[in-house]
Order: sequence, then C-alpha cells, then structure tokens
Amino acid sequence: GAVVSQHPSRVICKSGTSVKIECRSLDFQATTMFWYRQFPKKSLMLMATSNEGSKATYEQGVEKDKFLINHASLTLSTLTVTSAHPEDSSFYICSASGLAGSSYEQYFGPGTRLTVT
Amino acid sequence: GEDVEQSLFLSVREGDSSVINCTYTDSSSTYLYWYKQEPGAGLQLLTYIFSNMDMKQDQRLTVLLNKKDKHLSLRIADTQTGDSAIYFCAESKSGNTPLVFGKGTRLSVIA
Repeated sequence: GAVVSQHPSRVICKSGTSVKIECRSLDFQATTMFWYRQFPKKSLMLMATSNEGSKATYEQGVEKDKFLINHASLTLSTLTVTSAHPEDSSFYICSASGLAGSSYEQYFGPGTRLTVT
Repeated sequence: GEDVEQSLFLSVREGDSSVINCTYTDSSSTYLYWYKQEPGAGLQLLTYIFSNMDMKQDQRLTVLLNKKDKHLSLRIADTQTGDSAIYFCAESKSGNTPLVFGKGTRLSVIA
C-alpha cells in the first residue's frame, strides 16, 4: 500500500510555544488529508478535513485559530498547534486520500505524540 | 448521526479464536475497516470490506458483515500473544471521506 509519513514522531514542547506537525504522502498525490486526534485510551476523533489549495474544514468544537492546517501541495499537509497547553498533549494522526485507479484510497500516517509541559 | 460501537475488552487464551464485534448506524457506509493499534504505535490496517460483501478472509483473519443488522465482526484464528492490542472498527462512505471509529476493543491474550 501507499506510504504516509509524519514528522516528528514525538515532540515535547513548553507551554505557550507552537508546534508544527507534517504529514506527507510519499508515493501518491493526496487531494484530501484528514487530521485526527487520539486521547489516551480513547478512539480517534476527526479534527479537520484538508483539501489541497483550499481552507480546511474543521469539526465542531475544534478551534481553527489554535489548530492551523495548511495543505499547500498534493503531498504535504501541516498541522500547527499554536500556543500549546498541557491539555493539547495527545496523539495526532493524519490520513491521506488519493485516486488509485478509478477509486479513492486512504492511508494513515504513523502518528505524532505531542507532550506539552 | 454516525456511530460505531464495540465492546471494550476481550480476553482469550493463546490458540483459541477471538471474535471482536462491532455495530454501526450509518446505512450509507460503504467501507468497513479493522485497524490494530499496539501500545504507543500508530494504526495498522488489518483488513477492510466493502458493504456489498458479506465475508472476507485473509490468512488468520475473517471478517463477517451483516448489512441488514449493521453488524461487523473480526475473527482471529489461533490467537497469539502478539495479537494483544487494541482493535478499532471504522466505517466511511468512500475512500475520500473521513473514517468514523469505534472506541476500540482491547484484546488480551493469555498464554
């Protein structure tokens, strides 16, 4: 299957700083990328849907000014957690969707564990 | 709204079969997935089934779909200690829409 990478895999930052997480589709063009968040021992919750070249669509309750999403190219989307606080500590996972033949397929990245101290 | 439900825990003995069940509410779900997550790791796609299928088998894994009851199950034959993990059921309308996940079933395999 296709490969989706995330960078960094782990990050620890101080409260009040910003952190950028990258999601890359390595061998296909991802027209849509999704960002999910997973709290400890919980399921994955969709944060936002990002289409290449347009503004992200955020789920209800997700602050768009706090979680900045950019999808500037067909292979890269970034999530920036601005002014991070300890409650933002979580596992962030992206998925990338693109055409494979005549249908869309979706692949998940390995996740980024963010710890805010 | 969309909802995916799973039991939270399952414990089996090594060598036995495990059956993890899932129900969903969205009748327009087209893709139904099973993911495995080991501690501290990301999601590993185990298998998926289209809604127009009722069974899919892949080595030790068997997925059964009852579309009428919106019930999905994952059977793991000859369960091994390495199968201990959290298993997530998920559904989506297409390959280009977000997945809706269940809360995950923690499978513990007793040696």
